[in-house]
Amino acid sequence: GQNIDQPTEMTATEGAIVQINCTYQTSGFNGLFWYQQHAGEAPTFLSYNVLDGLEEKGRFSSFLSRSKGYSYLLLKELQMKDSASYLCARGATDSWGKLQFGAGTQVVVTP
Amino acid sequence: DVKVTQSSRYLVKRTGEKVFLECVQDMDHENMFWYRQDPGLGLRLIYFSYDVKMKEKGDIPEGYSVSREKKERFSLILESASTNQTSMYLCASSIGGGENIQYFGAGTRLSVL
Repeated sequence: GQNIDQPTEMTATEGAIVQINCTYQTSGFNGLFWYQQHAGEAPTFLSYNVLDGLEEKGRFSSFLSRSKGYSYLLLKELQMKDSASYLCARGATDSWGKLQFGAGTQVVVTP
Repeated sequence: DVKVTQSSRYLVKRTGEKVFLECVQDMDHENMFWYRQDPGLGLRLIYFSYDVKMKEKGDIPEGYSVSREKKERFSLILESASTNQTSMYLCASSIGGGENIQYFGAGTRLSVL
């Protein structure tokens, strides 16, 4: 993805915590999105951050630092069903609602 | 719940054929998008539309066109399919205005032989 960087793959054990980092271009920034995509399925919306700080939704949390162009998605108490690709996406102020997506981070949860 | 429906999950076409991929959303969304997804490249925007009969090129529009005659329907057209257009195609929609959350269809896996 253009100017959106995230790791390609991460492996963690069931019950553990994994943090997926995402860096992006800060100019014209208008929100940071995280999506989950299981193999062969559509991406599904997980979280949206537009202000600095941590947003918590159950086992998943997302953090944003606008000045650093940095976000992370935190997955706690990992379950086997969390094995999926996690996509970071950036909105822009002049984009008609377009999003720029990163290439995705494949998370593999092992027993 | 928002529902975005793509007409086919799998398609196999021959080189040179004209291909239509259809997408329908049921939430009166203003914006609709077509992406292709390839391993290691992520989602790449082909075209998008922010209103009926309006369309804008995305990052990779070459070889594609679109049609939006009704608000709920956004069609992607491959005028003359080529093997390098073998990919997963994803349609998405969003409310419009300042709300950018996009909701995706299940995708169409197109193979061009």
